Order: sequence, then structure tokens, then C-alpha cells
Amino acid sequence: AQTVTQSQPEMSVQEAETVTLSCTYDTSESNYYLFWYKQPPSRQMILVIRQEAYKQQNATENRFSVNFQKAAKSFSLKISDSQLGDTAMYFCAFMKWGNNDMRFGAGTRLTVKP
Amino acid sequence: NAGVTQTPKFRVLKTGQSMTLLCAQDMNHEYMYWYRQDPGMGLRLIHYSVGEGTTAKGEVPDGYNVSRLKKQNFLLGLESAAPSQTSVYFCASSYPGQGGYGYTFGSGTRLTVV
Repeated sequence: AQTVTQSQPEMSVQEAETVTLSCTYDTSESNYYLFWYKQPPSRQMILVIRQEAYKQQNATENRFSVNFQKAAKSFSLKISDSQLGDTAMYFCAFMKWGNNDMRFGAGTRLTVKP
Repeated sequence: NAGVTQTPKFRVLKTGQSMTLLCAQDMNHEYMYWYRQDPGMGLRLIHYSVGEGTTAKGEVPDGYNVSRLKKQNFLLGLESAAPSQTSVYFCASSYPGQGGYGYTFGSGTRLTVV
């Protein structure tokens, strides 16, 4: 079974600075998807960014980017120019290609300080 | 543009009581899922459905039953609630083969069993 590990239960960053959240996963699959979801206090799960494992280029969405290291099974999220609205729980998730069983890490609680 | 709607949003049950959580989606998604979210454990898949009239077990199915009588609705039932089922429950949906684009989540139901 695939497992997803987020080793940082909590992190904080000053507004306007950059922060990186870590995620590692364990799989024997070669084709899969990786995701970062944001969960603000409203509890809504919001897709931040996704990566297809067969693509070597790291995904980027505005201030959010990933560092995907397939060999190391690592998928970190970098948030640039942090904003107060980025304060949330962040979940890393994995899904095998052709499968609809998305597996989540335990989450990292990020606090952006003014 | 409702997306995925969960009812109720909050519920308190006594041990041994039963209840049904309702998930409704208006996006014509074929696949639907029920997850539970517990502190330090992320989201774990309870049951899922790949189409009307079908259901399958996920990672933590014990103590729950589901039904998908209509394509747009996915019901999660607790026949005899236990304190260990205190959790936040999320419903999600996706198109077949398009789970790689991420799921659409509801806003969750906070269930407390006393």
C-alpha cells in the first residue's frame, strides 16, 4: 500500500517570506499523481497544485511551486511571498495512475505571521 | 454552482444511535468517495463508488455502510455509533479516469459520538 509522510506537523513563516513543506511517499508504481491540498479554518479542501509523475518539469501555480524528486520519492511544496490567507492545514496526497484511491499524509499546519 | 454538498454540517450522537450522512453532487461525476479526517492521520478512505448501484470498501470501512441509489447521491450510514467514529467526514467526487485532476470535496460533517 502506498504511504504518504509529512514530517512537519507545524510550521510558521513571516508574511512575505518563503516556506517549504516536505512530503515523502512510498510506492513501487512508476505512474502516479501527487497533490497538495489546502484546508483553511473553513474546513474546505482546496486543490493547490498537482504533479504527474511522468513529467520531469516541476508544477507551478502562481506563488506555489513543487520540487518533485521521483527517485527520492519526495514532493515538497514551496510557497513564495507568504500571505496571511495562506494560514491553513496542508495535505500532501498520492494516487496511482488509473486508480481513484487517493492517499493523504497527516498534514502540516502552517501559520503565516504578520 | 453547488459542487458537492454534505448534510448535516454538524451532529452529536449518543453511543449506539444510528444516522445517515448525505452527499449530493451536481457535476454529473461518476465516482464518489467518503473520507474521515482525524488529527494526526490525515484523510482516510472509508468507502467509494464508481457508479450508480456500485460501492466498494476503502481503507477503514468497518462500522460504516454506504449506498449509491442515484448517481448524484452517496449516503454514508452508521448503524450503531461508537465514540471511535467521532471525526470529520468528507465526501468527494470525480470523473472516471480524471481523478488525476484531483477530487471535488464537500465542506465536511463534524460528527461527535458521546
